[in-house]
Amino acid sequence: QSALTQPRSVSGSPGQSVTISCTGTSSNVGGYDYVSWYQQLPGKAPKLMIFDVSERPSGVPDRFSGSKSGNTASLTISGLRAEDEADYYCSSYAGTYTYYVFGSGTRVTVL
Amino acid sequence: QLQLQESGPGLVNTSATLSLTCTVSGGSIGSSSYYWAWIRQPPGKGLEYIGSISNSGSTYDNPSLKSRLIISLHTSKNQFSLKLFGVTAADTAVYYCASLEGSGTYLGGWGQGTMVTVSS
Repeated sequence: QSALTQPRSVSGSPGQSVTISCTGTSSNVGGYDYVSWYQQLPGKAPKLMIFDVSERPSGVPDRFSGSKSGNTASLTISGLRAEDEADYYCSSYAGTYTYYVFGSGTRVTVL
Repeated sequence: QLQLQESGPGLVNTSATLSLTCTVSGGSIGSSSYYWAWIRQPPGKGLEYIGSISNSGSTYDNPSLKSRLIISLHTSKNQFSLKLFGVTAADTAVYYCASLEGSGTYLGGWGQGTMVTVSS
């Protein structure tokens, strides 16, 4: 049972936008601006796509953007491309006792 | 550019101790810029935070695993390690080592992962 709740799957056609939600509590997502998002291609290690809610690491396309409102964070992929088809996980810092939690993961399918 | 590489047995007996090592290159394990983390992923399932360690040796364990877990730094070898005691089939997973960056709040670098199967 993951601490953060994500939709199991989302889909879109090439060029469209999709948004993945990540719902937590005031002990994690809502309590800190330390939400990050990871892309996992089949058989590969996860890759950091967004950190600190909305910051993009160098090399990540600006088609990927993040935001947060209350206890829910979101990842939006604009101008969807075939290579964006992957699993996406959110995560959040959760304080010094629990420390770090992940979402349940969302499969993005490009139709 | 940090590179991380996991190593250790791919098969562990039920009730035994799972031991993995992560070798870090391209940066110092003693750097205050990083914490060092272990993450796992059971087959077909999501990611689970196992625990992490700071450059000073402070540890931050998943409460559900804390009683079975030791994470250690080995600065002379630029490595850190994971020991998980009393394993069961539920501990079968791909184990990743990673670097926790920023304020120790996001996983910027990942190893390729190593599959560990627990079986009797």
